[in-house]
Amino acid sequence: GAGVSQSPSNKVTEKGKDVELRCDPISGHTALYWYRQSLGQGLEFLIYFQGNSAPDKSGLPSDRFSAERTGGSVSTLTIQRTQQEDSAVYLCASSFQTYEQYFGPGTRLTVT
Amino acid sequence: TQLLEQSPQFLSIQEGENLTVYCNSSSVFSSLQWYRQEPGEGPVLLVTVVTGGEVKKLKRLTFQFGDARKDSSLHITAAQPGDTGLYLCAGFYYTNAGKSTFGDGTTLTVKP
Repeated sequence: GAGVSQSPSNKVTEKGKDVELRCDPISGHTALYWYRQSLGQGLEFLIYFQGNSAPDKSGLPSDRFSAERTGGSVSTLTIQRTQQEDSAVYLCASSFQTYEQYFGPGTRLTVT
Repeated sequence: TQLLEQSPQFLSIQEGENLTVYCNSSSVFSSLQWYRQEPGEGPVLLVTVVTGGEVKKLKRLTFQFGDARKDSSLHITAAQPGDTGLYLCAGFYYTNAGKSTFGDGTTLTVKP
């Protein structure tokens, strides 16, 4: 079956612009996670959804970051007024049992 | 806050050598996962260990969960260049709001 997909795969934007990153999880997976990964580094947790609600938003770096999930499926991560330090790979994962996560290929964001 | 420490951070070996990477915590986990991430891709789940003392084998990879469920190890026998990648461990505990704790990873390079 289809895995987790993310779009766009690459995004180059100018400092100060808003960006939207999309995640399509595996069908039937109730949990969805967003992570950020800088080059050669581990995963930085951003936010977790169970269904459409977000029990844990503790990882969002600032109020410029927000995320939503609709219909228990697609999720969008929005970064407003992007800064150069936002440049990273943004990974989405979904799971049925919350401890086994299936990751998408990521969106590489470059802020110039 | 539950933390996972991985060691070593970097490992470079020749093809055919054996290696072990470690994942340690002072916290108890309900389960622990190991993932491998290749450049430009998202992490891929390798294994889940649940029971203290559990040993699982996946071809040349052997995973062990500590008796107290606080630590784990990954042993690779006769490493091959295809084993190159970032190895991540992730611990899950049911009371942690459904969120896994990821280690910072071990970057493995296997030279032909």
